[in-house]
Amino acid sequence: GQQLNQSPQSMFIQEGEDVSMNCTSSSIFNTWLWYKQEPGEGPVLLIALYKAGELTSNGRLTAQFGITRKDSFLNISASIPSDVGIYFCAGQRDSGGSNYKLTFGKGTLLTVNP
Amino acid sequence: NAGVTQTPKFRVLKTGQSMTLLCAQDMNHEYMYWYRQDPGMGLRLIHYSVGEGTTAKGEVPDGYNVSRLKKQNFLLGLESAAPSQTSVYFCASRGAGEGIQYFGAGTRLSVL
Repeated sequence: GQQLNQSPQSMFIQEGEDVSMNCTSSSIFNTWLWYKQEPGEGPVLLIALYKAGELTSNGRLTAQFGITRKDSFLNISASIPSDVGIYFCAGQRDSGGSNYKLTFGKGTLLTVNP
Repeated sequence: NAGVTQTPKFRVLKTGQSMTLLCAQDMNHEYMYWYRQDPGMGLRLIHYSVGEGTTAKGEVPDGYNVSRLKKQNFLLGLESAAPSQTSVYFCASRGAGEGIQYFGAGTRLSVL
């Protein structure tokens, strides 16, 4: 199955720094989702995007649905130690037989040094 | 509200043994999914269900079977476990008309 290209694979930053990560695809998606997974837990939804160009915030997190519908970005401002985890992007198409399934990126592992 | 509950949380099997993983959701969701997560591979879809009594193959279905006899439950079976099935298994559910999948906490399976 198709995977999204998510980058970077890992980041090691200092507390207080801003973080940016992105996902790109060769195909168009109609929904973009960003999840966070903490050690020993399942992915938890952070932000959902439904419209090309949409910019949505959730606290210190901001995500954007790319205009081409082939990419999405997640930014975290003023990082704190509890931001540690793996961040996944996921895309969904709404047509044909793929409308029940999400395509996931391989994740960005974020480490925050206090 | 429990959301998506997976049992068991941990399991160790010997090669050739069988087991069933249970996923239960209390959100009246139509769609349910089983994924496996391996280092560097992200989440890969094993099987999914679009409604009670229906199942379909995902990206990596070999060696697994599923059943959705009740809307709230989705069972994942391993008939003859292999070391390659050592992984973390996640169940997810989704309501009709929305794109968000809600995940359980996972089952960590080791096959020796």
